[in-house]
Amino acid sequence: TQLLEQSPQFLSIQEGENLTVYCNSSSVFSSLQWYRQEPGEGPVLLVTVVTGGEVKKLKRLTFQFGDARKDSSLHITAAQPGDTGLYLCAGPNPAQGGSEKLVFGKGTKLTVNP
Amino acid sequence: DAGVTQSPTHLIKTRGQQVTLRCSPKSGHDTVSWYQQALGQGPQFIFQYYEEEERQRGNFPDRFSGHQFPNYSSELNVNALLLGDSALYLCASSFNRAQGYTFGSGTRLTVV
Repeated sequence: TQLLEQSPQFLSIQEGENLTVYCNSSSVFSSLQWYRQEPGEGPVLLVTVVTGGEVKKLKRLTFQFGDARKDSSLHITAAQPGDTGLYLCAGPNPAQGGSEKLVFGKGTKLTVNP
Repeated sequence: DAGVTQSPTHLIKTRGQQVTLRCSPKSGHDTVSWYQQALGQGPQFIFQYYEEEERQRGNFPDRFSGHQFPNYSSELNVNALLLGDSALYLCASSFNRAQGYTFGSGTRLTVV
């Protein structure tokens, strides 16, 4: 059973379109992180959200943490080919209080076509 | 400022053999975590080292072991390799968990 469910699993869009990807759980997380991973590379941290209802913006990327801290979303405005990659959400294992052990979702594989 | 460095980048081993993967953390980081990422999956936590001791461990068998050295670098050892151990092995370093983790580019291990 996946603690973090990401949807959609695959997304292929045209340059300039907007998109939203989701990360959901039945468990409460103390924080959630979003990473982007390109083929042959390790994940790169984009943002950490900590407070329920928090919204963070990183250029064209907007991250939101759900009020109940069970879900998060990533919205990309005017997607560009450089946004192509695997988007992963992750958080400290809620079953282990104060855990350093990150649990990851399976990711959303985004392809932005020129 | 070098980030997390992993070696080797690629490795092919035969079933039953043993392998050692290496990781140098980002400068200023003292904690190293190892993850296994199978194709099409998110990374799975193997274990974490801090102050040269294993601090936490995921659901991996004892064939997976590790070590951290006084300079904070780390090794991951896998004994009696199985075909299912084929994956990308990622090392992540951190100093303060709230600041997130820095991942290396990984070692692609193929077991044949």
